[in-house]
Amino acid sequence: DVKVTQSSRYLVKRTGEKVFLECVQDMDHENMFWYRQDPGLGLRLIYFSYDVKMKEKGDIPEGYSVSREKKERFSLILESASTNQTSMYLCASGGNNQPQHFGDGTRLSIL
Amino acid sequence: LAKTTQPISMDSYEGQEVNITCSHNNIATNDYITWYQQFPSQGPRFIIQGYKTKVTNEVASLFIPADRKSSTLSLPRVSLSDTAVYYCLVGDEGYSTLTFGKGTMLLVSP
Repeated sequence: DVKVTQSSRYLVKRTGEKVFLECVQDMDHENMFWYRQDPGLGLRLIYFSYDVKMKEKGDIPEGYSVSREKKERFSLILESASTNQTSMYLCASGGNNQPQHFGDGTRLSIL
Repeated sequence: LAKTTQPISMDSYEGQEVNITCSHNNIATNDYITWYQQFPSQGPRFIIQGYKTKVTNEVASLFIPADRKSSTLSLPRVSLSDTAVYYCLVGDEGYSTLTFGKGTMLLVSP
């Protein structure tokens, strides 16, 4: 079974802090994704990566950056957290032409 | 960018067949259609994927008409544990375009 592991289930940070969300997959997938999920808005793609050190902006990249130094790990970075970034963050991975597999999410609260 | 539209919610009873339709009028030639199921406090879980016509697996069927402007997820004989949010995803092989619908909340009652 594919396993996508997100480092934290719940996280509380303060406005202005630099926040790191980590995601690791164990299936050697080329592609990894970060989404945020908000009530009434569904899932929205923030960034994705199709290879090590490669990244592409999704629909809502503003205020975020990503890092993929190793194939199995994809990090989402909030450079200066703001309250409107309070959300559920979901990481996914997938092989080419394959469905995405999701982690169980990190519920991030920015105070 | 292919936009998707789904009903916000649906109600059903145990043992019934449920059909959830997703509209994607601007679907591109290379786009696949994928459906996911999500329970509270969990990430979405893959259900089924198709490109055209009909696809069936052990849990669901996916019907795609010839023009591919819509798709229908069919869940046979639902149970209470099928209560969840169902998402329609349209995207191409290269992942250059990815669009999730806003999800359909399916409530199954006894």
